[in-house]
Amino acid sequence: GAVVSQHPSRVICKSGTSVKIECRSLDFQATTMFWYRQFPKQSLMLMATSNEGSKATYEQGVEKDKFLINHASLTLSTLTVTSAHPEDSSFYICSALENSNQPQHFGDGTRLSIL
Amino acid sequence: AQKITQTQPGMFVQEKEAVTLDCTYDTSDPSYGLFWYKQPSSGEMIFLIYQGSYDQQNATEGRYSLNFQKARKSANLVISASQLGDSAMYFCAMRFGGGADGLTFGKGTHLIIQP
Repeated sequence: GAVVSQHPSRVICKSGTSVKIECRSLDFQATTMFWYRQFPKQSLMLMATSNEGSKATYEQGVEKDKFLINHASLTLSTLTVTSAHPEDSSFYICSALENSNQPQHFGDGTRLSIL
Repeated sequence: AQKITQTQPGMFVQEKEAVTLDCTYDTSDPSYGLFWYKQPSSGEMIFLIYQGSYDQQNATEGRYSLNFQKARKSANLVISASQLGDSAMYFCAMRFGGGADGLTFGKGTHLIIQP
């Protein structure tokens, strides 16, 4: 149980392209979803917290107009990297929380490479 | 300041030996949760074990146990009888305060199990 699907797993695109990443909880309803970013050989950094039907809460230093988050249902959150540039190249990984007494379950991540 | 520290960037351990991965944290909040995740080279985050700040006993999950010393603010992961498949990055993470918050990760320890 507690499976989180993230799609796509890898994206390579030109600078200026907008990229959408989907995060789905397959067998549970997620009260909250989180988006993290991981640069090579570094740790995961929380970007934003996403609650269904409300605006995402962004961490300090994360541009909300650059990283658009939509949480349309209890099983789906999307992250759109708008007008991506090479410095946005990173590993983006989502997690979903069924309730506060459970650990976060992570998707398999998306490797984004902007040329 | 809320902070989590892993002081071992890398470790080499002989197969079948026990391994202790260090993690210390700093918070003034009495309610928090401590997690350990394993990240293989493929990138996915695998949940290993959880310890709540109010839990009286150390958490155990199969070969994994958490040595929780609250007064010292440490939450070391112990892996018994290490296996070659245990080679991966290991991250200690903390959820500060309420259960629906995002995680703050340590920098990780790269564990390599040698035959």
